[in-house]
Amino acid sequence: QVQLQESGPGLVKPSQTLSLTCTVSGDSISSGADYWTWIRQPPGKGLEWIGYIYYSGSTNYNPSLKSRLTISVDTSKNQFSLKLSSVTATDTAVYYCARGVNVWGQGTLVTVSS
Amino acid sequence: EIVLTQSPGTLSLSPGERATLSCRASQSVSSTSLAWFQQKPGQAPRLLIYGASSRATGIADRFSGSGSGTDFTLTISRLEPEDFAVYYCQQYGSSPWTFGQGTKVEIK
Repeated sequence: QVQLQESGPGLVKPSQTLSLTCTVSGDSISSGADYWTWIRQPPGKGLEWIGYIYYSGSTNYNPSLKSRLTISVDTSKNQFSLKLSSVTATDTAVYYCARGVNVWGQGTLVTVSS
Repeated sequence: EIVLTQSPGTLSLSPGERATLSCRASQSVSSTSLAWFQQKPGQAPRLLIYGASSRATGIADRFSGSGSGTDFTLTISRLEPEDFAVYYCQQYGSSPWTFGQGTKVEIK
């Protein structure tokens, strides 16, 4: 079955760039079956959709993050990635990658702190 | 942006009781693009319902979704001990995709 796994630093300094990668197994990003999505959840709070990428490279971002956000895809590695620049403490959250709405990774906590 | 408002914020019920959770949208949502998730502490959200009323693979038939337009409902017919959790609705038909703030179903 499809599995997704987030990876990346758990601690990022303020003003730096948060970078995460999602590795997909059991499915091919190139299949075009769905949107490859990032979602985040600050500690103790609700869910926020960050954005998605299609296998072709087309993207759709949350306007609240758009100026700082880049989502990219590497079909050769079956991975997609998130870069969020100029982070502050408000970007501290568990970051999830997902295939559309139906398959989610386990999530990774990223803390923004000096 | 479509704002989803879930009610109530917290639902206190006993095992075996029926739970009815509401998700109201600020504008019409495509019925094919409304989902419900269950989240337990320390876990990723799990898809329960997609397309407003279709159960995801492996989801028990005590979970059902209904509604259209701006009003959607998740019903749990008889609460099992493992159903006490936080539930979120999400619309994914209009950009940006948005989530409700969640309803906590707790043991009374």
